[in-house]
Order: sequence, then C-alpha cells, then structure tokens
Amino acid sequence: DADVTQTPRNRITKTGKRIMLECSQTKGHDRMYWYRQDPGLGLRLIYYSFDVKDINKGEISDGYSVSRQAQAKFSLSLESAIPNQTALYFCATSDLKDSGNTIYFGEGSWLTVV
Amino acid sequence: QKEVEQNSGPLSVPEGAIASLNCTYSDRGSQSFFWYRQYSGKSPELIMFIYSNGDKEDGRFTAQLNKASQYVSLLIRDSQPSDSATYLCAVSSDRGSTLGRLYFGRGTQLTVWP
Repeated sequence: DADVTQTPRNRITKTGKRIMLECSQTKGHDRMYWYRQDPGLGLRLIYYSFDVKDINKGEISDGYSVSRQAQAKFSLSLESAIPNQTALYFCATSDLKDSGNTIYFGEGSWLTVV
Repeated sequence: QKEVEQNSGPLSVPEGAIASLNCTYSDRGSQSFFWYRQYSGKSPELIMFIYSNGDKEDGRFTAQLNKASQYVSLLIRDSQPSDSATYLCAVSSDRGSTLGRLYFGRGTQLTVWP
C-alpha cells in the first residue's frame, strides 16, 4: 500500500461544482502539502501545513481551501471549480527528521473541469 | 521570491553516455538540495539529496553541490533508456516562515536513445 494515498485518482467535474481531494498518509510525518502540476509550469504549491493547527498559503491558493483533519489527513477543496483548475494534483508529506525534509508524493489526482 | 532554475532541455543522450543536469538557485542561505525523477503521468520520486559542498555518489548517480556558485548538478553515468524522464531540482529554504519549504525548478526532460 502507498504511504501517501490520494482519492479520487481521477475525476471529471463541471464548472461551478465543489470538489474535494483527500489525502491520507501512514508515514507519521507532521508536514503535508498540496501541489498542482501543469505542463511547462512545473510543480506549484497550493497550501501546506506543518502540523495539525498550522495552515499556510502557497504560491497559488486562490480558488482553493484546505482542511487538516488530523496528522494523517489533509484535504483540498475547490469551492467552485473552473476549467483552468484542470491539472494533476499531488499531495505530499515530509518531516525534518526524515532525510532532511525530503518530500514524499502521493500518486496524484487527475482533475478535469469541463 | 526564491528562484530555482534548471537547464531548459529537452536533453537527449545516447545509451551509455553521461547525462548532465544543472540547477541554479537564488537563495544563498539554502541548505538542502534534492533531485527527483518523474516519469510521465507519475509522481516525482526522490533520487538523492545533498547538503555539503562536493560530490555525493549513489550508484550511477552523482550529485554535485557548489554553494559559492549556488549551483547543483546531477550526473547520470551509463545512461539507460529507463532513465528517460523529467528531472526536478528542489531547494529547501532555511529561513523564518518558509523554513523547510521546498522550491522546485520546472524540470529538465531527458531522453536516452538506444
């Protein structure tokens, strides 16, 4: 089983709909992240959380929100999806005590907004 | 804004050759440097990380760090077609509110042809 699990793996949704991407991890890491990846733009950080009570905006947080329900769970919501949010989304975890804060990625969630 | 720049690519080398991937970063205080490999449609996976100036070798991979020049590279010896992927350079911030965040370059696409 993957250490970082994302659900759903693939989703097609309509413009204006609310959608949630969920992430859970078994690595015991305190830090969790949401990235999106678009061709030619690399990985861009949406939100990150360094512990359960800590939530921080990344580079491109507009149109997104997150919830850190527990150390192991970090969900990303698109309140009103729009087509330019079509992308590959990655959840990731890290811990300063684990290989110097190496980031470990989930398998990704393909989101298409039509 | 912390910048991480990678040679734009794509890079194409024959099987058995040495592939050289380069990365520069803007934050002189950065302490940790990471190389990830990403196959198309898959999640990034860690190849290696480096903290200290000089070379670090792991099998066919060698990471080289020069903090004075703010430069980190990855050499792949005896390149194989299975090395064909996008390689991402990441740099860890060690300052204030962004302590521990990783900043990614846009990646260099490598093709190894038989």
